[in-house]
Formats: sequence, structure tokens, C-alpha cells
Amino acid sequence: EADIYQTPRYLVIGTGKKITLECSQTMGHDKMYWYQQDPGMELHLIHYSYGVNSTEKGDLSSESTVSRIRTEHFPLTLESARPSHTSQYLCASSEFATGEAFFGQGTRLTVV
Amino acid sequence: GQQVMQIPQYQHVQEGEDFTTYCNSSTTLSNIQWYKQRPGGHPVFLIQLVKSGEVKKQKRLTFQFGEAKKNSSLHITATQTTDVGTYFCAEKRSNDYKLSFGAGTTVTVRA
Repeated sequence: EADIYQTPRYLVIGTGKKITLECSQTMGHDKMYWYQQDPGMELHLIHYSYGVNSTEKGDLSSESTVSRIRTEHFPLTLESARPSHTSQYLCASSEFATGEAFFGQGTRLTVV
Repeated sequence: GQQVMQIPQYQHVQEGEDFTTYCNSSTTLSNIQWYKQRPGGHPVFLIQLVKSGEVKKQKRLTFQFGEAKKNSSLHITATQTTDVGTYFCAEKRSNDYKLSFGAGTTVTVRA
């Protein structure tokens, strides 16, 4: 089982609230990723990082922001949640040698 | 935007039959990875192909990378109910390590 953790697993929050989704991995991986996925749909890359203090925007434009101050931690923040942000958010990490990406269990976000 | 296209989007298979799902790109791929996501679960890595024309097998699953490195396929023989899920291909770029997924093929199995 992969050592990558996301909290919370489920979150229901009101419009306009600020939220931070946590993602931590204990594998020492340099590469980390955030994906947005609606039920039964494709994975959209919204942010990625290839090391400490490096972050890049992904393929899907997102109002969220990320930070990478420590190797093991890659939190995602929404300053003002809206109903359109309702989705599942998946975090992943990988190492260069094998290329395999490990995914967390995901956070299911509902904005009401 | 999305670099890899997957077909078909849905695959309904009779148990015991074979099927193939395809991943295509208009540009040369650095490598191709395949993942499986069970309903309600998260994607799980299956395999990575790097070399032109590479073929790898995992029991009933056969993965192939095209000679031009612009397409890949996953072939499953003797489909079982445990094969239900969505199969994604993904490219991990070698220059910036961006990992982008195709839209996936969702497989259902008729017993």
C-alpha cells in the first residue's frame, strides 16, 4: 500500500469559505500532482510540482493554489469556495526512477 | 490541453471475451503509462512503456507501445468480472515530469 495520505476524505462547506486540502507522502518522492475528477469522468491535472519551491499549473485552469515548502507536503487551497468547485480531488506522487505514480484516497468536496 | 486520446470511451464485454482499448497521440510520446481505477477507488499503476514497439504482459493483460511512439494499446483476454473499472493511459513528459491522463475507457462485464 502506498504511503500517500489525503485529508479530509469528505468535506461539505459553504460558499465563500476558504479551504485547504492536505496531501502528504512519506516516500520521499520529488514529483507531486493534484487532479480534479468528477464521478466516472476523466482526471484533469490542475497543479504539479517537481520539487521543493517548484509548482506549475496543469492542463485544467483552476482557481486553487498550491505550495511545496517541504518534499512530503503538497497542500491545495481554495480562497473562496463555490458550488462549481464540487468534485473529487486526487493527489499523487512519483519518483523519477520507476515513473509509477501513487495516488491518495482522494477528497470529495461539496460546496453548498 | 489533453495530449492523449483514448478509444473507446465505454466497453461492454461478455465475460470470457477479449477486448482492446487504444491510446493515441498526435505527437511522439516520451513514454506511456497505464492505470486502472475501480468504481469508487483511486487510480492504480499497471505498467510503463518506454521503448518503441515495446510489448509487456501481465497475466491476461498485454500492453503495447507503437513503433512511432504515438499510440499504445491494452488487450485483455478472457475478461473476468474483476476487470471492471476505468483504464487510463497517461504520458509522463521527460522534460518537466508533467503527468497527463487520457479520458479513460470504462469497462463493464456481462456475466
